[in-house]
Amino acid sequence: DTAVSQTPKYLVTQMGNDKSIKCEQNLGHDTMYWYKQDSKKFLKIMFSYNNKELIINETVPNRFSPKSPDKAHLNLHINSLELGDSAVYFCASSQNRGRDTEAFFGQGTRLTVV
Amino acid sequence: QKEVEQNSGPLSVPEGAIASLNCTYSDRVSQSFFWYRQYSGKSPELIMSIYSNGDKEDGRFTAQLNKASQYVSLLIRDSQPSDSATYLCAVGYNKLIFGAGTRLAVHP
Repeated sequence: DTAVSQTPKYLVTQMGNDKSIKCEQNLGHDTMYWYKQDSKKFLKIMFSYNNKELIINETVPNRFSPKSPDKAHLNLHINSLELGDSAVYFCASSQNRGRDTEAFFGQGTRLTVV
Repeated sequence: QKEVEQNSGPLSVPEGAIASLNCTYSDRVSQSFFWYRQYSGKSPELIMSIYSNGDKEDGRFTAQLNKASQYVSLLIRDSQPSDSATYLCAVGYNKLIFGAGTRLAVHP
């Protein structure tokens, strides 16, 4: 069974479109994240949710809106896509009990904006 | 100053040698330290975690932590070509912050 799964794996779309990426974890973790990995392979945190509550919102444009219907799911909706949004987006989850922030990652979604 | 710094490499070592990967971090309240391995086109995979000063060994991997110097390292003994990947240092306190990664190339 896949622990953290995200769909789709690849997403090619035109500038100005709106798209969503879905993520689900079956690890029973309380915390879920979205990370963006750019062309230089730098992995940068975007959002973090703990039990459906937004706890981290790094300086991400308002065009990006995460939604967590329950603690096992965290989706990412992107409005008015721009060329610079092209990257690999990773969903991750962790238990976050005290200091334990060990995160497990999904397989990634490669977003290409043309 | 970046929160988590790593040398981008590539670090090239011969098969069978020890690969030494280093990482420094800026936030002194950090409590959790991790090393992830990422193969090209794949997702990061956790290989080591360390929480206390000193060394932690797991098979061919040894993680070293020095909180006073804000320094974490990863040693890979008997390096194999299959170890060739990007190694990401991550530091945690309520959120996990990653370094830019060090690319390791192990040549036969």
